[in-house]
Amino acid sequence: AQKVTQAQTEISVVEKEDVTLDCVYETRDTTYYLFWYKQPPSGELVFLIRRNSFDEQNEISGRYSWNFQKSTSSFNFTITASQVVDSAVYFCADQTGANNLFFGTGTRLTVIP
Amino acid sequence: NAGVTQTPKFQVLKTGQSMTLQCAQDMNHEYMSWYRQDPGMGLRLIHYSVGAGITDQGEVPNGYNVSRSTTEDFPLRLLSAAPSQTSVYFCASSAGFVGSYNEQFFGPGTRLTVL
Repeated sequence: AQKVTQAQTEISVVEKEDVTLDCVYETRDTTYYLFWYKQPPSGELVFLIRRNSFDEQNEISGRYSWNFQKSTSSFNFTITASQVVDSAVYFCADQTGANNLFFGTGTRLTVIP
Repeated sequence: NAGVTQTPKFQVLKTGQSMTLQCAQDMNHEYMSWYRQDPGMGLRLIHYSVGAGITDQGEVPNGYNVSRSTTEDFPLRLLSAAPSQTSVYFCASSAGFVGSYNEQFFGPGTRLTVL
């Protein structure tokens, strides 16, 4: 069965600091996708990134970067030079062949001005 | 495109009442799903559908019914509401066939309180 662990419940950083959100996944599937979603205080869920199990290349998108390592079953998310607008709950999720998402419990990030 | 829409945004029910949460998408997506979000538990899958006429249970289906008569609509029914169903409900949809791993688009959510 799929399981996604986000051990960090809450993180607070001062603006402009870098912050890494951890995600550890557990799956028996050989083909799977991992996702990150952002939930700002307004409550909607915003898709950030999708990576498949065959592509371990790291990815950078502006201030965001993702480190996928199958050897440690981790898919960590780093925000560089954090901003107040980054304050949100961030969810890591694993997607199965049926297109169903298994979410972690989320990490609440607070960026202090 | 309106994307995924949900109604109502807020609802208060008394124990034992029934109601239907509406979900619609205008993206012609085959896959639709319902999740509930509870504090400290992330989002959990209730029911999903891979196309009109096809539904299946997710992780927490008890107390909920769904049907999918059209591609656009995927209502979630609470037959006899219980306080344990107090939660925020999200509907989602994605394009493609099963196993396409496309990202899911989420509706704005319905906040339900059962007294």
